Amino acid sequence: KAGVTQTPRYLIKTRGQQVTLSCSPISGHRSVSWYQQTPGQGLQFLFEYFSETQRNKGNFPGRFSGRQFSNSRSEMNVSTLELGDSALYLCASSLGPESSEQYFGPGTRLTVT
Amino acid sequence: GNSVTQMEGPVTLSEEAFLTINCTYTATGYPSLFWYVQYPGEGLQLLLKATKADDKGSNKGFEATYRKETTSFHLEKGSVQVSDSAVYFCALSRRGAGGTSYGKLTFGQGTILTVHP
Repeated sequence: KAGVTQTPRYLIKTRGQQVTLSCSPISGHRSVSWYQQTPGQGLQFLFEYFSETQRNKGNFPGRFSGRQFSNSRSEMNVSTLELGDSALYLCASSLGPESSEQYFGPGTRLTVT
Repeated sequence: GNSVTQMEGPVTLSEEAFLTINCTYTATGYPSLFWYVQYPGEGLQLLLKATKADDKGSNKGFEATYRKETTSFHLEKGSVQVSDSAVYFCALSRRGAGGTSYGKLTFGQGTILTVHP
């Protein structure tokens, strides 16, 4: 069974631009969560989606948004990029809200210049 | 709020040495506890988990026991290998308010482990 896939793997953007990252969960998994990983702040929860609905949201500004499609694939968007948004963005999938096991993708490395 | 504290790294060991990485947590109620491992250039892999007090999670020679009385979940391995070199993260999750979601993981800061031949 294929794992969680994330595209693109690497991105370079300029301050002020926006970016969209994509995540395809493991087949049969219906929950998707997103995390930001930086050397300074570590791993921080962004949001979680299930059945196309956002169930939880972390403490990030409104420039960070996401959505989930009917096939469980998810996208996250960051608008008006700032230098501090440079990070590894990780997507994780699980069977559903009752499952405690999350499986992570390889991440998208975003660099903002 | 919930938080996880891991021992400061980096940890450097010789092959076949005993490994302990300390992890303590703060959470209300009964969280589930996890250890994840991250190899260079990769995402996180679930190493083991425990969902209630006194549970022992184990995988690939690694073990950790959920100790509610000391709010700890220390990772141990009896004999490490060079291939165990990675970053190890302790994490917890709780059910969301009014719901059934485990979707939010709270992570420790990570411990870098380097094993030399």
